[in-house]
Amino acid sequence: GQQLNQSPQSMFIQEGEDVSMNCTSSSIFNTWLWYKQEPGEGPVLLIALYKAGELTSNGRLTAQFGITRKDSFLNISASIPSDVGIYFCAGSSNTGKLIFGQGTTLQVKP
Amino acid sequence: SQTIHQWPATLVQPVGSPLSLECTVEGTSNPNLYWYRQAAGRGLQLLFYSIGIDQISSEVPQNLSASRPQDRQFILSSKKLLLSDSGFYLCAWSVLGGTINQPQHFGDGTRLSIL
Repeated sequence: GQQLNQSPQSMFIQEGEDVSMNCTSSSIFNTWLWYKQEPGEGPVLLIALYKAGELTSNGRLTAQFGITRKDSFLNISASIPSDVGIYFCAGSSNTGKLIFGQGTTLQVKP
Repeated sequence: SQTIHQWPATLVQPVGSPLSLECTVEGTSNPNLYWYRQAAGRGLQLLFYSIGIDQISSEVPQNLSASRPQDRQFILSSKKLLLSDSGFYLCAWSVLGGTINQPQHFGDGTRLSIL
């Protein structure tokens, strides 16, 4: 079946640093989504990507839909303490179902 | 704007007891609805999805069932809970669009602990 490999699994960085995480799939996806989840809450949609090569920003966050359609990355610039949380990628192919990565846990040291 | 509500926020139940978790969506019609389970704060496992009233698809064999008695109401149930049913349960909705790959919007979840 379809699988998503999200990396890194966790990151511990200094405030002000840039962050980069990515997801790769075993098959072609038509949609890539990035979510952030804070403790005790549901994931919140950050960015949605629908076209290969698409680069979309949301404040300090930037995500790209890989041109091979098998990968996507999320960058966070100038991290701040409130960026702490678990970041999930999710993708879907022609089956229509969303598949979620295992998450990247981000910790920011002030 | 659309909102999604889940309750209760936390629940502690004994093994063998029944379960009913409720999810409702406001501000949209004919949404796709989903139930996920998240173990140990990590990945999300899709349990059920629904594209309409009384139309439920199950993704994994398990001790749980889902029902959609109204357009914007999605219920997760069990007749007898197992220890392995513990976890964080999330309800989500997306715009009805033929496929279920539209962005999904999540509720705040229910933390279920089985004793």
